[in-house]
Amino acid sequence: GQQVMQIPQYQHVQEGEDFTTYCNSSTTLSNIQWYKQRPGGHPVFLIQLVKSGEVKKQKRLTFQFGEAKKNSSLHITATQTTDVGTYFCAPRKVYNQGGKLIFGQGTELSVKP
Amino acid sequence: EAQVTQNPRYLITVTGKKLTVTCSQNMNHEYMSWYRQDPGLGLRQIYYSMNVEVTDKGDVPEGYKVSRKEKRNFPLILESPSPNQTSLYFCASRTGGDYGYTFGSGTRLTVV
Repeated sequence: GQQVMQIPQYQHVQEGEDFTTYCNSSTTLSNIQWYKQRPGGHPVFLIQLVKSGEVKKQKRLTFQFGEAKKNSSLHITATQTTDVGTYFCAPRKVYNQGGKLIFGQGTELSVKP
Repeated sequence: EAQVTQNPRYLITVTGKKLTVTCSQNMNHEYMSWYRQDPGLGLRQIYYSMNVEVTDKGDVPEGYKVSRKEKRNFPLILESPSPNQTSLYFCASRTGGDYGYTFGSGTRLTVV
């Protein structure tokens, strides 16, 4: 089956520090999605990356898709307490593989004010 | 407001007593899915549906049933719940193409 590893599992940062989570696949991907889940909440779709080497930004969040389309990262600049939550990647092996969507284990981010 | 609605939000039941968790979306989405979330195991897909009367198993389908008789509804049925099905369940939907899922608020199920 599709193997994906998301690291780190946990990250504790001081407010204002940067944060990065990585998603690594053993196989080439078609695209990858990222989601955020606040404590006690539900996953919320953030973004989808499709092209090799693609970089997308959403305010302080930068998403990157590797050149080989086997890994991806989410970087948050100058974290804030509102960034607290778990960030999941959801890699897709083939384009539009129907409804199937597997999630990485997630990286739980805590931010100390 | 575009949303995915799950009911109930919380449910405590006894082993073996059949239950249904309802899910409805008002966005005319083709795809719908059920996930369970457990500490240390992340989100695992139970079943998904690509359209009316078209469903398929996810990674952990054992002990669950689904149906998609109407486009907007995708109920999750536990015919004989067991304690290992105690979990947080999420329903999700998305449009065709290759877009992200919109998730419901979740159903916390406890089976005693």
